[in-house]
Amino acid sequence: NAGVTQTPKFRVLKTGQSMTLLCAQDMNHEYMYWYRQDPGMGLRLIHYSVGEGTTAKGEVPDGYNVSRLKKQNFLLGLESAAPSQTSVYFCASRIWNTEAFFGQGTRLTVV
Amino acid sequence: EDQVTQSPEALRLQEGESSSLNCSYTVSGLRGLFWYRQDPGKGPEFLFTLYSAGEEKEKERLKATLTKKESFLHITAPKPEDSATYLCAVREVTGGGNKLTFGTGTQLKVEL
Repeated sequence: NAGVTQTPKFRVLKTGQSMTLLCAQDMNHEYMYWYRQDPGMGLRLIHYSVGEGTTAKGEVPDGYNVSRLKKQNFLLGLESAAPSQTSVYFCASRIWNTEAFFGQGTRLTVV
Repeated sequence: EDQVTQSPEALRLQEGESSSLNCSYTVSGLRGLFWYRQDPGKGPEFLFTLYSAGEEKEKERLKATLTKKESFLHITAPKPEDSATYLCAVREVTGGGNKLTFGTGTQLKVEL
C-alpha cells in the first residue's frame, strides 16, 4: 500500500553537482508530475508526463530534465545544481479525470 | 494564463469558531477544482473534487462549494487538529486538461 514514493527524502548538494530524484508509484497511474514548493510561491509545476515515454514542460522547467522510461517511475534530474533550486520537491500521480496523489516530498538544499 | 488565488494567506481561529477559506480562479474551461490539506513536512492530502457550479461536498467539519468564479471551503466548529495549510488547485481544458495549477494556500491555525 505504498502509493507514491519519493527517493531520497533529504539531500544537500554543492553548486554544480548533479543528482536524480526518483518517484515511484504502484497504482498504475498514467499521469505523473513533478512540483517544487517554495515559501510564498505555492506548488509550481516543473514537468509532467501523460504516459510512459512522454514528458512535457510545466511552469518552471529550466534547469531540470525528466524521463519516464517505465510507467511506474518518473525521474527528475538536475544537471548542474544552483542555490535557486533549493526547495521541497513533490511528485504526484493520477489516472484520467481523478485527483492526484502526492508523495512525501524531497527536501533539497544546494549550497 | 489561468490563475488561482487563495485568501486569506493565514487564518487564526478559536476552537469552535466557524469560518471560510476562499479560492478564486480564472481558467478557460474548468475540468475540476480540487482541495487539499497539507501538514508540515508532508505531501498534500486530497480532500474534495468539484466539477460544476452549484456542486457541494462535505466531510466531517469541512464543506466545499463551487461557483463559476470561486470555491469556498467552510470549516464548521473547527478543532486544533484541523490546523494545516489548505491548498486549492484547478485543472483546465487548455492543454488537454493535463495540468494541475495550485494556489499558494491558506495556513489555518485553530487554538484552544
